[in-house]
Amino acid sequence: NAGVTQTPKFQVLKTGQSMTLQCAQDMNHEYMSWYRQDPGMGLRLIHYSVGAGITDQGEVPNGYNVSRSTTEDFPLRLLSAAPSQTSVYFCASSYSAGGNTEAFFGQGTRLTVV
Amino acid sequence: AQKVTQAQTEISVVEKEDVTLDCVYETRDTTYYLFWYKQPPSGELVFLIRRNSFDEQNEISGRYSWNFQKSTSSFNFTITASQVVDSAVYFCALNEGGYNKLIFGAGTRLAVHP
Repeated sequence: NAGVTQTPKFQVLKTGQSMTLQCAQDMNHEYMSWYRQDPGMGLRLIHYSVGAGITDQGEVPNGYNVSRSTTEDFPLRLLSAAPSQTSVYFCASSYSAGGNTEAFFGQGTRLTVV
Repeated sequence: AQKVTQAQTEISVVEKEDVTLDCVYETRDTTYYLFWYKQPPSGELVFLIRRNSFDEQNEISGRYSWNFQKSTSSFNFTITASQVVDSAVYFCALNEGGYNKLIFGAGTRLAVHP
C-alpha cells in the first residue's frame, strides 16, 4: 500500500504565484486533512474533509482553498503565495472521523515562498 | 480552549539513559483522545500510540512506555535505555470532538548521543 502520497516534495514559489499541493490516499479513508508545520509551533490544521464533497476550515485556513471531489484526493490550493506560507505541509487521512483511529500522514511538502 | 503543552523544547541524553518527554493538555470535553507521534530526521510522522480519555492504564511497548494521568492532565512518554535511533522530534496531540482535528504540541527534539 502506498498510504498517503503527497506531491511535490519540494517547491519554490515567487510571491503572488498560485499552486496546488496534491494529496492522494489509497486506504479508502473518509477523513482527510491538511496541516502546516512551522518551527516551534507543531502542526496546525488548515482544512479538513469528512467525505467527498464536504470540507471545512481548520485553525489557519486563510490563503488556502480545498475541494474533495473523490474519496482518494484532497488537493490544497494556494491562491496567491506569500512568504508567510513558507512551511512544511502535511496531508493526513484516517479511517473514521470519530477520533478513535490514528491519522496517517504523507511525507510532507516543503514549500518556500520568495 | 483545547491546548497541548510540551514544555521541553530540546533534550540531549547519552545512549542508554532513560528519558521522559512531558505532555500536558487542556480540554473541556470528557471524551477525547491523546496521541504521540515521532518525526525522525527524514521528516515523516510516525504514529506511536493512541489513548482515549476513559482508559488510564499505562502502556508499555518494548522500550517505550506511556503514563496517562487525568488528575494532572498529563500524558508523558518514557524511553528506557535510549538509542541513537530514538533521535527525533516527538509530538503529543489531542483530538476532541471527533473529525480527527488534532491539536499538536510544539514538539520536543530528542538528541541521543553515542
